[in-house]
Amino acid sequence: QQQVKQSPQSLIVQKGGISIINCAYENTAFDYFPWYQQFPGKGPALLIAIRPDVSEKKEGRFTISFNKSAKQFSLHIMDSQPGDSATYFCAVRPSGSGNTGKLIFGQGTTLQVKP
Amino acid sequence: DGGITQSPKYLFRKEGQNVTLSCEQNLNHDAMYWYRQDPGQGLRLIYYSQIVNDFQKGDIAEGYSVSREKKESFPLTVTSAQKNPTAFYLCASTLGAVNTEAFFGQGTRLTVV
Repeated sequence: QQQVKQSPQSLIVQKGGISIINCAYENTAFDYFPWYQQFPGKGPALLIAIRPDVSEKKEGRFTISFNKSAKQFSLHIMDSQPGDSATYFCAVRPSGSGNTGKLIFGQGTTLQVKP
Repeated sequence: DGGITQSPKYLFRKEGQNVTLSCEQNLNHDAMYWYRQDPGQGLRLIYYSQIVNDFQKGDIAEGYSVSREKKESFPLTVTSAQKNPTAFYLCASTLGAVNTEAFFGQGTRLTVV
């Protein structure tokens, strides 16, 4: 079952522009919402993460906006740079006593930032 | 430097052959995971282990097997029962079952020839 839906599948942005990637989830029992960045041929690396008790978190040019009632969260990349060109994955972590630390990932968004 | 080491980086398998992917971590993490990555499908969980000598099936465990004899090591065997094994395989670890950040290895690209 598809618990996390990520959009768009691909995104092209001009240098200096804002990149926005969205994720929607179908179950309310999640307690951690990370975004991972992956360069070709490499493993993903944590970019930024948020917990459901806050609506926004900012780290440098990267911001997560979280809307608990809409079951959506998004990644905003301000002043996008060519070095940001990568694949981005959102993820959710099931909460509760049976939590194993495993993550459920979105389908990924390939971002290309043009110079 | 601490991290996760996956080997080999590229692996070719013939039809009907079992192959084993290596994953070693020196982060002293308790939990380890195997994910499979296919284009347009994100990462899907194959197996995970919270402690030594214990592991659980993920969402797509059929055709795969694992072992966790040492805290540092979590090898994945892709058996001949896995009908579509060509994919990018990623190993990850977390400090504990309820911690936050998952650290990933560099991946193994498996191709059936």
